[in-house]
Amino acid sequence: DVQLLESGGGSVQPGGSLRLSCAASGFTFNNYAMSWVRQAPGKGLEWVSAMSGSGGSTYYADSVKGRFTISRDNSKNTLYLQMNSLSAEDTAVYYCARGGSGSYPALGWGQGTLVTVSS
Amino acid sequence: QSVLTQPPSASGTPGQRVTMSCSGSSSNIGSNYVYWYQQLPGTAPKLLIYRNDQRPSGIPDRFSGSKSGTSASLAISGLRSEDEADYYCAAWDDSLSVVLFGGGTKLTVL
Repeated sequence: DVQLLESGGGSVQPGGSLRLSCAASGFTFNNYAMSWVRQAPGKGLEWVSAMSGSGGSTYYADSVKGRFTISRDNSKNTLYLQMNSLSAEDTAVYYCARGGSGSYPALGWGQGTLVTVSS
Repeated sequence: QSVLTQPPSASGTPGQRVTMSCSGSSSNIGSNYVYWYQQLPGTAPKLLIYRNDQRPSGIPDRFSGSKSGTSASLAISGLRSEDEADYYCAAWDDSLSVVLFGGGTKLTVL
């Protein structure tokens, strides 16, 4: 079974930084694209970023470009999201998602980790 | 960034068949697969349909997806109370190089 376990969420002040992690198991991690998707309180799903299985290709939503960095360590089966210059608009549950071997829309989801940006 | 367009709400009575739409453009739905997700209150999204009309194992055949041109639809037949949830469509966009989500349709089972 595909399992994705996010960690690293919490409360941070505006302008601060946070790094999210997603530990993956149950599949050959480096064969699959991975994404981060977020959901602000009471709002819909918003795709944030994606990375190819090899890590050679990365993509970002305009709303986070230049502030967030996606990365992965295929030796540790772990996906990361480094978030800098956080603002209140970044407050959301952040989901880790597994894509296909060559496609990015999510085929499996983690349970999410809450990030709250507030002074 | 632009989103795929979904009606904000839909409703039906138990046993009915309901459909919900997802409208996009040539750079997303028109040229890529569509995915559908169900999100029950307080839970993570779950994949319902992938590659336009394929159901993952464990998803009942009451759920079906279709695509025509730059629009897609999700149909739920034999509606049940436990189908009350938010439903989202998604697709890759070739021009923007992003995954686009629809705004979601909230399904109410009357």
